[in-house]
Amino acid sequence: DAKTTQPPSMDCAEGRAANLPCNHSTISGNEYVYWYRQIHSQGPQYIIHGLKNNETNEMASLIITEDRKSSTLILPHATLRDTAVYYCIVKGGAQKLVFGQGTRLTINP
Amino acid sequence: DGGITQSPKYLFRKEGQNVTLSCEQNLNHDAMYWYRQDPGQGLRLIYYSQIVNDFQKGDIAEGYSVSREKKESFPLTVTSAQKNPTAFYLCASSIARTGVRETQYFGPGTRLLVL
Repeated sequence: DAKTTQPPSMDCAEGRAANLPCNHSTISGNEYVYWYRQIHSQGPQYIIHGLKNNETNEMASLIITEDRKSSTLILPHATLRDTAVYYCIVKGGAQKLVFGQGTRLTINP
Repeated sequence: DGGITQSPKYLFRKEGQNVTLSCEQNLNHDAMYWYRQDPGQGLRLIYYSQIVNDFQKGDIAEGYSVSREKKESFPLTVTSAQKNPTAFYLCASSIARTGVRETQYFGPGTRLLVL
């Protein structure tokens, strides 16, 4: 599975959009981009995933560049409860999810 | 409520003791997984099972054992052979369909501490 690169930490003001970037320059054609988040001492929570088209659900939007080498997770109206570590994962046929260090997102009041 | 439950939330183990962590799901998922998370680290795969009565080792299976006698249940035993068992243990499940990149959903986790 391809490796991903994320900034270690980000801050965002409450009510604003939080844009979390992820680089996955070695992604291959059959690999999906997944986003999870983990609030302290809880299990990871699935957010969204996509292959090449942009995706939106009730939690977030996922924007994938045309060359698929990077993506951005957008939380449109961040709240204090969105403070968590966000993981960008590229997954193909392998069974396991490979979690890197993720981005620690802090939402400030 | 559909979901994945793990029990207990906290578990204490004495030296040389085997302990079993419970994972149950009522999502009718075929595949189940066990991960370990150490402080400040990502998750590492211990074991996974794609179907009842079958399971595969992950990256760090040594010192652990599992069983999959029922579709809903995938208990993990941490044996005395696991020398550094203190960690946060996470169970996940997914629909396993050929050709589909299945999404894994996680339980709340069990924190194991060695006394």
